[in-house]
Amino acid sequence: GAVVSQHPSRVICKSGTSVKIECRSLDFQATTMFWYRQFPKKSLMLMATSNEGSKATYEQGVEKDKFLINHASLTLSTLTVTSAHPEDSSFYICSARGAQGSYNSPLHFGNGTRLTVT
Amino acid sequence: GENVEQHPSTLSVQEGDSAVIKCTYSDSASNYFPWYKQELGKRPQLIIDIRSNVGEKKDQRIAVTLNKTAKHFSLHITETQPEDSAVYFCAAFSVMDTGRRALTFGSGTRLQVQP
Repeated sequence: GAVVSQHPSRVICKSGTSVKIECRSLDFQATTMFWYRQFPKKSLMLMATSNEGSKATYEQGVEKDKFLINHASLTLSTLTVTSAHPEDSSFYICSARGAQGSYNSPLHFGNGTRLTVT
Repeated sequence: GENVEQHPSTLSVQEGDSAVIKCTYSDSASNYFPWYKQELGKRPQLIIDIRSNVGEKKDQRIAVTLNKTAKHFSLHITETQPEDSAVYFCAAFSVMDTGRRALTFGSGTRLQVQP
């Protein structure tokens, strides 16, 4: 089946530094990737939708300058949390839909990245 | 944008009993409704999904029903086992405020199956 690899799984960084999270589709081409954020014991909130070769679309309330998304190829999307602060600490999960997938086809999730900003 | 509400937030059942989780959605154009199971610190795993042209779908002990008129869908787990204990999320694929189509998730149900 379709596999989405997300790296790193855990990262601890100091306040003010930037962190890059990678999301790769291993056995399919992902024209669209979604980045979600999940607080402890809460639901997944969509942050942005990225399409290969174009700018990401950010949901309301998500700062595009703080959460930089790049989808440079059909198998890789990256999320960079810039100038991280403790309130950015969260679980970030990417998901992908294949090139052949229609909008109502299953999404495949990465394993998530637990970010802790000290 | 879409609003997905999920109930209950916690559910405790005895092993062997059935569990039912219910969700409602607001966007009548939504046409794809997956259910995910998430264990602590892990990725959400798709367990079953249903499209709007179907009213019910079953896969072994898991079934999902969809009522498009009432805009609600439910997850049914029969003969529950301790390994079914997890957080379950419903979701609806619909148009977001940005005009993009994406999954909107419910708030989750923590299911605890008592042995």
